[in-house]
Amino acid sequence: GAVVSQHPSWVICKSGTSVKIECRSLDFQATTMFWYRQFPKQSLMLMATSNEGSKATYEQGVEKDKFLINHASLTLSTLTVTSAHPEDSSFYICSARAPRGAGETQYFGPGTRLLVL
Amino acid sequence: DAKTTQPPSMDCAEGRAANLPCNHSTISGNEYVYWYRQIHSQGPQYIIHGLKNNETNEMASLIITEDRKSSTLILPHATLRDTAVYYCIVRVAGNQFYFGTGTSLTVIP
Repeated sequence: GAVVSQHPSWVICKSGTSVKIECRSLDFQATTMFWYRQFPKQSLMLMATSNEGSKATYEQGVEKDKFLINHASLTLSTLTVTSAHPEDSSFYICSARAPRGAGETQYFGPGTRLLVL
Repeated sequence: DAKTTQPPSMDCAEGRAANLPCNHSTISGNEYVYWYRQIHSQGPQYIIHGLKNNETNEMASLIITEDRKSSTLILPHATLRDTAVYYCIVRVAGNQFYFGTGTSLTVIP
């Protein structure tokens, strides 16, 4: 199956700093990627849809100025958590949509665990 | 919002078939049903998807009712490594996935 990677897998930062998370589709081109957040013992919550070459579409209640998304190429999307605070500590997961002819399945990355002190 | 409901938890004996139900009574005619599973602290893993017909692959079978209001994921011979949270998802028109609470499957030795 298709492979999606995320970097870093773990990050610990101080409150007020910004953190960038990368999501890469390794063996296919993805015009659309998605970013999710998951708190302990909860389900995944969709944050935004990232389209290559255009602005991301954010879900209701997600602050676009706090969670900056850039999808500069067909294999890379980045999520920047700006001015992170302890309540932003979570498991961030991206997915990439496989192209037509491959079932348009979403393939998920392994996740990035963020801890804000 | 998620368009699916699933039982919160299920147990299955190792080697037996695991049948995981999902209700999606408000599904539209062109919306696909997807199944993923998530093992603790990992990203979700794709299992199978379908529209109207039953589907089978090397991992599982997907049975969709004729009215498409519910479906069942079947793991034919459950192993301990199948212990995970299983999510049934309806893919909406914009291709987004809205996850429900899923079913926590425990395979018992």
